[in-house]
Amino acid sequence: NAGVMQNPRHLVRRRGQEARLRCSPMKGHSHVYWYRQLPEEGLKFMVYLQKENIIDESGMPKERFSAEFPKEGPSILRIQQVVRGDSAAYFCASSPGAYQPQHFGDGTRLSIL
Amino acid sequence: GESVGLHLPTLSVQEGDNSIINCAYSNSASDYFIWYKQESGKGPQFIIDIRSNMDKRQGQRVTVLLNKTVKHLSLQIAATQPGDSAVYFCAGFMTTDSWGKLQFGAGTQVVVTP
Repeated sequence: NAGVMQNPRHLVRRRGQEARLRCSPMKGHSHVYWYRQLPEEGLKFMVYLQKENIIDESGMPKERFSAEFPKEGPSILRIQQVVRGDSAAYFCASSPGAYQPQHFGDGTRLSIL
Repeated sequence: GESVGLHLPTLSVQEGDNSIINCAYSNSASDYFIWYKQESGKGPQFIIDIRSNMDKRQGQRVTVLLNKTVKHLSLQIAATQPGDSAVYFCAGFMTTDSWGKLQFGAGTQVVVTP
């Protein structure tokens, strides 16, 4: 019974490059959430998606960041023209519905050189 | 400021003792809370949840208490083991959002000493 799968686990990019982070939700879960975590800090909400729809992107920077959850395939968090401040752990979670416990993947650690 | 927060950044506990982790919340948080455990290099792991119609809920070696009067909840870990060393987060669903955004506290680092 696979949990939330994220890949890659570690990603290194140079400033100005693009980063693509993938998330496959738990089986039966159609709600996906992305969070960002800096060292020694809690999780900050970025975006909430359902299949083919962005429900709430209020926590995601307006520029350079985008997210999608297509009908087929994983959810993608895309960061264009990365900067050093984008270095963080990015976690994906999924749930079967709203107001339901969210289950997390083990994250993608993004490092910007 | 955050509407869900923790009292202590670090809790040192001797192996075998009980651990108590506290969390306070504001009016903007709903009365549905979840405790997560995050080990180093991993994602948060669901431990236990509690809804507003309950004051107490027990799991395996863990108990969560919810005091709606003072807007406080706690996680108690019985007979703490080395494997309990982790950061513990309380999280609450925000009532200000139509879909129930989960707001996380800053976390408490539990360190289990022999």
